[in-house]
Amino acid sequence: QKEVEQNSGPLSVPEGAIASLNCTYSDRGSQSFFWYRQYSGKSPELIMFIYSNGDKEDGRFTAQLNKASQYVSLLIRDSQPSDSATYLCAVPNQGGKLIFGQGTELSVKP
Amino acid sequence: SQTIHQWPATLVQPVGSPLSLECTVEGTSNPNLYWYRQAAGRGLQLLFYSVGIGQISSEVPQNLSASRPQDRQFILSSKKLLLSDSGFYLCASYGSTAEQYFGPGTRLTVT
Repeated sequence: QKEVEQNSGPLSVPEGAIASLNCTYSDRGSQSFFWYRQYSGKSPELIMFIYSNGDKEDGRFTAQLNKASQYVSLLIRDSQPSDSATYLCAVPNQGGKLIFGQGTELSVKP
Repeated sequence: SQTIHQWPATLVQPVGSPLSLECTVEGTSNPNLYWYRQAAGRGLQLLFYSVGIGQISSEVPQNLSASRPQDRQFILSSKKLLLSDSGFYLCASYGSTAEQYFGPGTRLTVT
């Protein structure tokens, strides 16, 4: 049974700082990884995906994948109060399903 | 790109009443569709998924059922709601590279 683990937080960072969100996964054969952002009361929104080892950058967001250590991270540079949300890590499973972590709550303080 | 619609957006129902939530998808054909529930402060729980018309797989035994009468329509139902059925119900559609896209959700409160 594949598992995806995240620290539930809350993770609190000051405005302008770098927020680092981490996710570990159990299946060494996993090939792709997704990060979703979920604002309170809203549905999850896909913000990043990564398939290859190393870093992938998109604006203020950087996803980092280390397959040898089985973790994937999401870095948010210059954090803004509008980044306050729960961030979910997900890994594909058989049958087209996704396995989600429990999510990390991020709070960016002005 | 695909768009997922869900209705109603919010619903308050008494215990023992029936339920019908609807999800429709635009911008794709023959998608895999999923129903999730998210209890307050909790993670996503996959309830059902469907790979085509009339094809439903249940992930957890429960008080709910799902149907897929048309290619881009997915319905979640219950004959008699329980208090524990309260939550945020999300419909999702499979993307081109294993990702999923979510609808806006239905917030159900069972009283």
